[in-house]
Amino acid sequence: AQKITQTQPGMFVQEKEAVTLDCTYDTSDPSYGLFWYKQPSSGEMIFLIYQGSYDQQNATEGRYSLNFQKARKSANLVISASQLGDSAMYFCAVGRGNEKLTFGTGTRLTIIP
Amino acid sequence: GAGVSQSPRYKVTKRGQDVALRCDPISGHVSLYWYRQALGQGPEFLTYFNYEAQQDKSGLPNDRFSAERPEGSISTLTIQRTEQRDSAMYRCASSLGTSGSSDTQYFGPGTRLTVL
Repeated sequence: AQKITQTQPGMFVQEKEAVTLDCTYDTSDPSYGLFWYKQPSSGEMIFLIYQGSYDQQNATEGRYSLNFQKARKSANLVISASQLGDSAMYFCAVGRGNEKLTFGTGTRLTIIP
Repeated sequence: GAGVSQSPRYKVTKRGQDVALRCDPISGHVSLYWYRQALGQGPEFLTYFNYEAQQDKSGLPNDRFSAERPEGSISTLTIQRTEQRDSAMYRCASSLGTSGSSDTQYFGPGTRLTVL
């Protein structure tokens, strides 16, 4: 069984500040991935970043980075220099990318100008 | 188009009617997934296919739900005898299917189903 816990239902951050969105997970699979998706108010699901369970380095994609701590089973998303367009729901997911993903309940991020 | 497409985008039906939701994956993507997303929640897995073979249907809530992908491309999720609790956003995703755990699932815009 797999489980994702996102403990921050909502966050408010000043524009241009960095923000960390928390995600802890549980899985019995020895090989798995952690995924973050963004869901703006328009409703689409946008893939942001991926971290493999055996990756030694933390993943980065532009302003997004993933703070992966395997022993603690956490995969926090860090957004640097936040922008107004970053306001959205953010979902963390665990699984094998070519099988089912298990999503958390999400964090609603609001960027304040 | 370049992305995953779903139709219809909105579907309103009466309780007891059957509905069919369609998903057209990204061209060349082997794997196709169906999820359901209730308001304020994350997507919940329903089923997935590799080519035309249904690999895992453990997330289908009951036998009123079924899915097929007969030619390994377009997929249809069918809900028979709809109930009000079936109201949700139904999302389809596709992936290359060749990258194992690092495969990335790309989502379509979803079908908003409302059962009156």
